[in-house]
Amino acid sequence: EVQLVESGGGLVQPGGSLRLSCAVSGFTLSSYWMSWVRQAPGKGLEWVANIRQDGSEKYYADSVKGRFTISRDNAKDPLYLQMNNLRAEDTAVYYCARDRGGTSGWSLYFFDYWGQGTPVTVSS
Amino acid sequence: DIVMTQSPDSLAVSLGERATINCRSSQSIFYSSNNENYLAWYQQKPGQPPKLLISWASTRESGVPDRFSGSGSGTDFTLTISSLQADDVAVYYCQQYYTTPSITFGQGTRLEIK
Repeated sequence: EVQLVESGGGLVQPGGSLRLSCAVSGFTLSSYWMSWVRQAPGKGLEWVANIRQDGSEKYYADSVKGRFTISRDNAKDPLYLQMNNLRAEDTAVYYCARDRGGTSGWSLYFFDYWGQGTPVTVSS
Repeated sequence: DIVMTQSPDSLAVSLGERATINCRSSQSIFYSSNNENYLAWYQQKPGQPPKLLISWASTRESGVPDRFSGSGSGTDFTLTISSLQADDVAVYYCQQYYTTPSITFGQGTRLEIK
């Protein structure tokens, strides 16, 4: 059974940092493009970032570019999202999601498995 | 960015009746070279992550009941639930993946039982 489990969320002051992790089971993390998608309270979905299987390509939403970094260490399990210089508008539940592109080299940019999410609150 | 607009924002349908959710993109998301519409539909139940229902506008994911169907092309798309079940109460989102990495989601449609 495919499972994704996020961790690392919490309350942080504006300007602060957090690192989110996503651990998986039921599939080989290093074989898939992976994304982070967020959902502000009571709001819709916003794609944040993705990363290629080998980490050689990374893409970001304009809203987080220069502040967030997606990474993976295929020698270990987790996918990461390092979030710096956090703002109130970054408050959301952050989901990691597996790309439907499968084990091909391409990202399809839609998502067949999602974690339960980890909440991030940016507030003083 | 392509703007995805869903209608209605909320919908109440009686059990066993048809539910129809619309999604319009601000530009065509049809790619003529492969004859595909780059549109997905998700279902999100309270307290749960989204679940992929349909991709390529009309291809149902494995395990998704056949009462769910997707249709449309170009800029106008529809998710239809042919006979509403209590378990279908959720928020439904469309998503375009035509312009990458700037993919975008609709604002969501809340489906309730009348």
